[in-house]
Amino acid sequence: DGGITQSPKYLFRKEGQNVTLSCEQNLNHDAMYWYRQDPGQGLRLIYYSQIVNDFQKGDIAEGYSVSREKKESFPLTVTSAQKNPTAFYLCASSMWGGRETQYFGPGTRLLVL
Amino acid sequence: GENVEQHPSTLSVQEGDSAVIKCTYSDSASNYFPWYKQELGKRPQLIIDIRSNVGEKKDQRIAVTLNKTAKHFSLHITETQPEDSAVYFCAATYNSGGGADGLTFGKGTHLIIQP
Repeated sequence: DGGITQSPKYLFRKEGQNVTLSCEQNLNHDAMYWYRQDPGQGLRLIYYSQIVNDFQKGDIAEGYSVSREKKESFPLTVTSAQKNPTAFYLCASSMWGGRETQYFGPGTRLLVL
Repeated sequence: GENVEQHPSTLSVQEGDSAVIKCTYSDSASNYFPWYKQELGKRPQLIIDIRSNVGEKKDQRIAVTLNKTAKHFSLHITETQPEDSAVYFCAATYNSGGGADGLTFGKGTHLIIQP
């Protein structure tokens, strides 16, 4: 777990603004993921990436974008098109192979001003 | 896509008693089923997982059972302790062996251990 970092811990977004959440891992994991968690809800998959320069949409990708230029990094941008962005955002990573354990970062809490 | 249902949403047990949380999944192709524990404001932590080639797995006070025919799996915690109080999530995913897919989570069970 300690090998996955997310920043910032708290992020405030103004109306119409794009914001980027950082996720870095030093576990040499191939796959990385972004989940959104709302109060009283389970985690929902936004995007995931199995290898560098490749990523797939999850269940709730609308209003979000990602990039995977480096194995260690998988930033998530919350665009102005995401009308309800207030949530707890969790990044995870795992070894390649699909059934390997996903380890989570500490999360970023995004709030709208 | 996959859909995971989790019950109950809240479970209160006396310290020392057992707790059971149940999940059902919809996609019969799912082959990996982890359980996560999340304390308030913290990240989810894996506590146990099971793959579709086994029916039961134990780790000290924690066990998970899987019934592929009925498409359900359960978490069993014995001799519950105050530190077991948290929200527990089940999840499921299918992987063909070619890559790492995302997990589909249940909505969580708030486990309360009464002293």
